[in-house]
Amino acid sequence: EVQLLESGGGLVQPGGSLRLSCVASGFTFSNYAMSWVRQAPGKRLEWVSAISTSTTSTSYADSIKGRFTISRDNSKNTLYLQINSLRDEDTAVYYCAKFAGYSWTRTSFDYWGQGTLVTVSS
Amino acid sequence: DIVMTQSPDSLAVSLGERATINCKSSQSLLYSSTNKNYLAWYQHKPGQPPKLLIYWASTREYGVPDRFSGSGSGADFTLTISSLQAEDVAVYFCQQYYSLPLTFGGGTKVEIK
Repeated sequence: EVQLLESGGGLVQPGGSLRLSCVASGFTFSNYAMSWVRQAPGKRLEWVSAISTSTTSTSYADSIKGRFTISRDNSKNTLYLQINSLRDEDTAVYYCAKFAGYSWTRTSFDYWGQGTLVTVSS
Repeated sequence: DIVMTQSPDSLAVSLGERATINCKSSQSLLYSSTNKNYLAWYQHKPGQPPKLLIYWASTREYGVPDRFSGSGSGADFTLTISSLQAEDVAVYFCQQYYSLPLTFGGGTKVEIK
Protein backbone atom coordinates (compact mmCIF):
# COMPACT_ATOMS: atom_id res chain seq x y z
CA GLU A 1 0.00 0.00 0.00
CA VAL A 2 1.41 3.36 -1.03
CA GLN A 3 1.76 5.80 1.84
CA LEU A 4 3.08 9.34 1.97
CA LEU A 5 3.52 10.81 5.42
CA GLU A 6 4.32 14.50 5.77
CA SER A 7 5.77 16.17 8.83
CA GLY A 8 7.53 19.35 9.86
CA GLY A 9 4.67 21.82 9.77
CA GLY A 10 3.90 24.20 12.59
CA LEU A 11 3.59 27.79 13.69
CA VAL A 12 6.40 30.05 12.51
CA GLN A 13 6.94 33.80 12.54
CA PRO A 14 7.15 35.82 9.35
CA GLY A 15 10.66 35.63 7.96
CA GLY A 16 11.25 32.26 9.57
CA SER A 17 12.12 28.90 8.04
CA LEU A 18 10.83 25.34 8.11
CA ARG A 19 11.80 22.06 6.53
CA LEU A 20 8.96 19.78 5.57
CA SER A 21 9.54 16.05 5.12
CA CYS A 22 7.54 13.37 3.36
CA VAL A 23 8.39 9.74 4.02
CA ALA A 24 7.25 7.39 1.28
CA SER A 25 6.51 3.67 1.49
CA GLY A 26 4.83 0.97 -0.55
CA PHE A 27 6.60 1.72 -3.83
CA THR A 28 10.10 2.18 -5.24
CA PHE A 29 10.57 5.82 -4.31
CA SER A 30 13.61 6.38 -6.52
CA ASN A 31 11.62 5.49 -9.65
CA TYR A 32 9.08 8.31 -9.43
CA ALA A 33 9.07 12.08 -9.70
CA MET A 34 7.60 13.80 -6.67
CA SER A 35 5.94 17.11 -5.89
CA TRP A 36 4.65 19.48 -3.25
CA VAL A 37 1.20 21.07 -3.52
CA ARG A 38 -0.34 23.47 -1.02
CA GLN A 39 -3.78 24.77 -0.15
CA ALA A 40 -4.23 28.03 1.71
CA PRO A 41 -7.41 28.51 3.76
CA GLY A 42 -10.36 29.10 1.45
CA LYS A 43 -8.20 28.88 -1.65
CA ARG A 44 -7.76 26.32 -4.38
CA LEU A 45 -4.85 23.91 -4.52
CA GLU A 46 -1.60 25.44 -5.73
CA TRP A 47 1.27 23.45 -7.18
CA VAL A 48 4.52 24.42 -5.49
CA SER A 49 7.42 22.36 -6.79
CA ALA A 50 8.49 19.12 -8.46
CA ILE A 51 11.64 17.04 -8.53
CA SER A 52 12.86 14.34 -10.86
CA THR A 53 13.85 10.85 -9.80
CA SER A 54 17.56 11.59 -9.61
CA THR A 55 17.27 15.15 -8.22
CA THR A 56 18.94 16.56 -11.31
CA SER A 57 15.82 18.44 -12.35
CA THR A 58 13.58 20.64 -10.25
CA SER A 59 10.79 23.07 -11.03
CA TYR A 60 9.08 25.75 -8.97
CA ALA A 61 5.98 27.93 -9.05
CA ASP A 62 6.82 31.57 -9.69
CA SER A 63 5.15 32.57 -6.42
CA ILE A 64 7.77 30.78 -4.30
CA LYS A 65 10.83 30.73 -6.55
CA GLY A 66 13.97 31.64 -4.66
CA ARG A 67 12.49 30.96 -1.22
CA PHE A 68 11.63 27.26 -1.41
CA THR A 69 13.98 24.38 -2.21
CA ILE A 70 12.79 20.87 -3.03
CA SER A 71 15.09 17.91 -2.51
CA ARG A 72 14.96 14.17 -1.98
CA ASP A 73 17.02 11.43 -0.40
CA ASN A 74 16.32 8.22 -2.27
CA SER A 75 18.26 6.19 0.30
CA LYS A 76 15.77 7.34 2.95
CA ASN A 77 12.66 7.34 0.75
CA THR A 78 12.13 10.92 1.79
CA LEU A 79 11.11 14.10 0.01
CA TYR A 80 11.88 17.51 1.50
CA LEU A 81 10.79 21.11 1.11
CA GLN A 82 12.94 23.79 2.66
CA ILE A 83 10.88 26.94 3.11
CA ASN A 84 12.67 30.20 3.87
CA SER A 85 11.62 33.84 4.34
CA LEU A 86 8.10 32.73 5.24
CA ARG A 87 5.24 35.17 4.58
CA ASP A 88 1.68 35.28 5.84
CA GLU A 89 0.48 34.06 2.43
CA ASP A 90 2.51 30.87 2.83
CA THR A 91 0.03 29.70 5.49
CA ALA A 92 -1.41 26.50 4.03
CA VAL A 93 -1.67 22.76 4.23
CA TYR A 94 1.30 21.35 2.33
CA TYR A 95 0.77 18.05 0.53
CA CYS A 96 3.35 15.66 -0.79
CA ALA A 97 2.25 14.01 -4.04
CA LYS A 98 3.64 11.21 -6.18
CA PHE A 99 3.61 11.44 -9.94
CA ALA A 100 2.33 8.39 -11.78
CA GLY A 101 5.59 8.15 -13.73
CA TYR A 102 9.31 8.79 -13.55
CA SER A 103 8.82 12.24 -15.07
CA TRP A 104 6.46 15.08 -14.26
CA THR A 105 5.95 15.81 -17.96
CA ARG A 106 2.32 15.25 -18.75
CA THR A 107 1.85 12.94 -15.79
CA SER A 108 -0.92 13.07 -13.19
CA PHE A 109 -0.51 12.52 -9.49
CA ASP A 110 -1.61 9.08 -8.37
CA TYR A 111 -1.06 9.36 -4.61
CA TRP A 112 -1.11 12.17 -2.08
CA GLY A 113 -0.25 12.48 1.58
CA GLN A 114 -2.63 13.83 4.18
CA GLY A 115 -0.76 17.10 4.45
CA THR A 116 1.03 19.12 7.10
CA LEU A 117 -0.17 22.55 8.23
CA VAL A 118 2.16 25.52 8.10
CA THR A 119 0.94 28.63 9.88
CA VAL A 120 2.85 31.88 9.50
CA SER A 121 1.93 34.36 12.16
CA SER A 122 3.54 36.72 14.63
CA ASP B 1 -0.68 29.66 -16.84
CA ILE B 2 -3.68 27.48 -17.68
CA VAL B 3 -6.71 28.57 -15.67
CA MET B 4 -9.13 25.85 -14.59
CA THR B 5 -12.72 26.89 -13.97
CA GLN B 6 -14.92 24.40 -12.19
CA SER B 7 -18.69 24.51 -11.70
CA PRO B 8 -20.78 24.42 -9.67
CA ASP B 9 -19.06 25.30 -6.39
CA SER B 10 -21.40 22.95 -4.55
CA LEU B 11 -24.00 20.40 -5.44
CA ALA B 12 -26.67 18.59 -3.41
CA VAL B 13 -27.96 15.39 -4.96
CA SER B 14 -30.34 12.72 -3.68
CA LEU B 15 -28.98 9.26 -3.05
CA GLY B 16 -29.06 7.24 -6.25
CA GLU B 17 -29.31 10.30 -8.46
CA ARG B 18 -26.75 11.65 -10.92
CA ALA B 19 -24.18 14.28 -10.03
CA THR B 20 -22.44 16.24 -12.79
CA ILE B 21 -19.40 18.47 -12.32
CA ASN B 22 -17.91 20.63 -15.04
CA CYS B 23 -14.36 21.80 -15.59
CA LYS B 24 -13.15 24.22 -18.26
CA SER B 25 -9.57 25.06 -19.09
CA SER B 26 -8.34 28.34 -20.56
CA GLN B 27 -6.60 26.42 -23.32
CA SER B 28 -6.88 23.01 -24.90
CA LEU B 29 -5.49 20.11 -22.89
CA LEU B 30 -5.45 17.83 -25.94
CA TYR B 31 -1.92 17.01 -27.03
CA SER B 32 -1.98 16.26 -30.73
CA SER B 33 1.00 13.89 -30.69
CA THR B 34 -0.71 11.48 -28.31
CA ASN B 35 -4.38 12.41 -28.87
CA LYS B 36 -4.75 12.43 -25.07
CA ASN B 37 -6.32 15.07 -22.85
CA TYR B 38 -4.12 15.82 -19.85
CA LEU B 39 -6.88 16.27 -17.30
CA ALA B 40 -7.35 14.45 -14.00
CA TRP B 41 -10.16 14.32 -11.45
CA TYR B 42 -9.61 13.78 -7.73
CA GLN B 43 -11.86 13.14 -4.75
CA HIS B 44 -11.00 14.72 -1.41
CA LYS B 45 -12.69 13.68 1.81
CA PRO B 46 -12.02 15.48 5.13
CA GLY B 47 -9.10 14.00 6.99
CA GLN B 48 -8.00 11.89 4.04
CA PRO B 49 -5.51 12.43 1.25
CA PRO B 50 -6.92 13.37 -2.15
CA LYS B 51 -7.63 10.31 -4.27
CA LEU B 52 -7.12 10.00 -8.01
CA LEU B 53 -10.35 9.01 -9.77
CA ILE B 54 -9.84 9.72 -13.46
CA TYR B 55 -6.84 10.52 -15.65
CA TRP B 56 -6.49 11.32 -19.35
CA ALA B 57 -9.95 12.88 -18.89
CA SER B 58 -11.79 9.57 -19.10
CA THR B 59 -9.63 6.68 -17.84
CA ARG B 60 -10.79 5.39 -14.49
CA GLU B 61 -8.05 4.66 -11.97
CA TYR B 62 -7.80 1.04 -10.87
CA GLY B 63 -10.29 0.29 -8.10
CA VAL B 64 -12.50 3.32 -8.69
CA PRO B 65 -16.18 2.32 -8.91
CA ASP B 66 -17.66 2.47 -12.39
CA ARG B 67 -20.32 4.94 -11.28
CA PHE B 68 -17.56 7.54 -11.70
CA SER B 69 -16.92 8.55 -15.29
CA GLY B 70 -15.06 11.34 -17.03
CA SER B 71 -15.78 12.80 -20.42
CA GLY B 72 -14.88 15.74 -22.61
CA SER B 73 -12.01 16.87 -24.77
CA GLY B 74 -10.05 19.98 -25.58
CA ALA B 75 -11.09 22.51 -22.97
CA ASP B 76 -14.41 21.21 -21.64
CA PHE B 77 -14.65 18.28 -19.30
CA THR B 78 -17.22 16.59 -17.08
CA LEU B 79 -17.11 14.26 -14.11
CA THR B 80 -20.28 12.25 -13.63
CA ILE B 81 -21.32 10.18 -10.65
CA SER B 82 -24.11 8.10 -12.12
CA SER B 83 -25.77 7.03 -8.87
CA LEU B 84 -24.66 8.98 -5.82
CA GLN B 85 -23.78 6.93 -2.76
CA ALA B 86 -23.36 8.21 0.80
CA GLU B 87 -19.62 7.55 0.64
CA ASP B 88 -19.28 9.89 -2.34
CA VAL B 89 -19.76 12.99 -0.16
CA ALA B 90 -16.52 14.88 -0.78
CA VAL B 91 -14.90 17.74 -2.63
CA TYR B 92 -14.03 16.94 -6.24
CA PHE B 93 -11.43 18.87 -8.19
CA CYS B 94 -9.95 18.80 -11.65
CA GLN B 95 -6.30 19.33 -12.52
CA GLN B 96 -4.49 19.94 -15.78
CA TYR B 97 -1.13 18.30 -16.29
CA TYR B 98 -0.61 19.50 -19.84
CA SER B 99 2.00 22.03 -18.79
CA LEU B 100 3.74 23.58 -15.82
CA PRO B 101 2.67 25.17 -13.63
CA LEU B 102 0.19 22.41 -12.83
CA THR B 103 -3.14 24.05 -12.02
CA PHE B 104 -6.32 23.01 -10.30
CA GLY B 105 -10.01 23.79 -10.41
CA GLY B 106 -11.56 25.46 -7.40
CA GLY B 107 -13.34 22.32 -6.28
CA THR B 108 -16.97 21.19 -6.10
CA LYS B 109 -18.46 20.11 -2.79
CA VAL B 110 -20.93 17.25 -3.27
CA GLU B 111 -23.49 16.66 -0.55
CA ILE B 112 -26.59 14.55 -0.07
CA LYS B 113 -29.93 16.29 -0.58
